[in-house]
Amino acid sequence: NAGVTQTPKFQVLKTGQSMTLQCAQDMNHEYMSWYRQDPGMGLRLIHYSVGAGITDQGEVPNGYNVSRSTTEDFPLRLLSAAPSQTSVYFCAIREASGGNSPLHFGNGTRLTVT
Amino acid sequence: GQSLEQPSEVTAVEGAIVQINCTYQTSGFYGLSWYQQHDGGAPTFLSYNALDGLEETGRFSSFLSRSDSYGYLLLQELQMKDSASYFCAVGSGANNLFFGTGTRLTVIP
Repeated sequence: NAGVTQTPKFQVLKTGQSMTLQCAQDMNHEYMSWYRQDPGMGLRLIHYSVGAGITDQGEVPNGYNVSRSTTEDFPLRLLSAAPSQTSVYFCAIREASGGNSPLHFGNGTRLTVT
Repeated sequence: GQSLEQPSEVTAVEGAIVQINCTYQTSGFYGLSWYQQHDGGAPTFLSYNALDGLEETGRFSSFLSRSDSYGYLLLQELQMKDSASYFCAVGSGANNLFFGTGTRLTVIP
């Protein structure tokens, strides 16, 4: 999806390992967010940021850390992976005005924790 | 908090019309959105309603009734490529969107 780049596309971790999911955008949008998607659960908001230096928690923040040092990047860190974190992770951005401004999603990172 | 309800599955015939309903509960309403997601893909934006009434975009229309906390997505002239999952989402403070669990639409010949 143009404008939002997520890496890696696939990742397998062992329980207790750490990793960082990368999200980069070239649309100069202030708002960036991370969702996880599990079968039957829809998309759930993990963390979000409304601008560089500003982050906040969403619905399911436990086990995840984020930082926003630049407008372009919003990495998601798993400090100690657990099998419950097996999921598809999407980074999404939108213009800060919100409202009818649509979310633009990256292509996702498929994470398996064994 | 927020909660949204939509049917888990819908099947419809190619060329027909299908309606996907969504009811919601939210503290602070900032509009109802619809997203489409094909298997293995990312969600993509379809439509947005901030006010009561019908919004039309080509074959797709979306309706909102704020007094009933209810909306629907209407897909006309169904095509096989419309087979996908459809999510309703409500806006909340700080520009956040909260999604329903999705409706899987299967279009059959």
